Amino acid sequence: EVQLVESGGGLVQPGGSLRLSCAASGFTFSSYWMHWVRQAPGKGLVWVSRINSDGSSTSYADSVKGRFTISRDNAKNTLYLQMNSLRAEDTAVYYCARGEVVGAGHFDYWGQGTLVTVSS
Amino acid sequence: SYELTQPLSVSVALGQTARITCGGNNIGSKNVHWYQQKPGQAPVLVIYRDSNRPSGIPERFSGSNSGNTATLTISRAQAGDEADYYCQVWDSSTAVFGGGTKLTVL
Repeated sequence: EVQLVESGGGLVQPGGSLRLSCAASGFTFSSYWMHWVRQAPGKGLVWVSRINSDGSSTSYADSVKGRFTISRDNAKNTLYLQMNSLRAEDTAVYYCARGEVVGAGHFDYWGQGTLVTVSS
Repeated sequence: SYELTQPLSVSVALGQTARITCGGNNIGSKNVHWYQQKPGQAPVLVIYRDSNRPSGIPERFSGSNSGNTATLTISRAQAGDEADYYCQVWDSSTAVFGGGTKLTVL
């Protein structure tokens, strides 16, 4: 059974940093592109970032470019999102999602999400 | 940047057919994916690449895509289909979601 379990969310002050983790199991993690998607309270889904299967290629939404860094450890079956210079508008539930084996596509499995609150 | 337009809400009578649209410039040239999200839960993929159903998704869910509009069709709507539905495409290495449609089953 495919499982994605996020952790690392919490309350952080504006300008602070946080690192999210997503532990994957039930599939060959190193074969899949992975993504982070966020959802502000009461709002819609917004894609944040993606990383290819071996970690050699990444891309970001304009709203987080230069502040967030996606990475992965295929030996540990874990996806990360390092978030720096956090702003109030980054407050959201952050989901990790499994992409496809090759290229951009759909997100077929999602974690339960972890809440990040940026507030003083 | 590419935009996807969905109606804020759609209502359907129990047992009838609901159609949720997703509008975008020449969206017919893109692969469209659809997600269902119930309150307090993570999204679930219900249609991928325009019209394909993942395993476990009922045949009542179908999709189409042509021109400037993609459509998610839910036949024989059930109370359990009440949820928010989002369409999604890729444009210039960026994933784009529609704003979401709240489906109400009356």
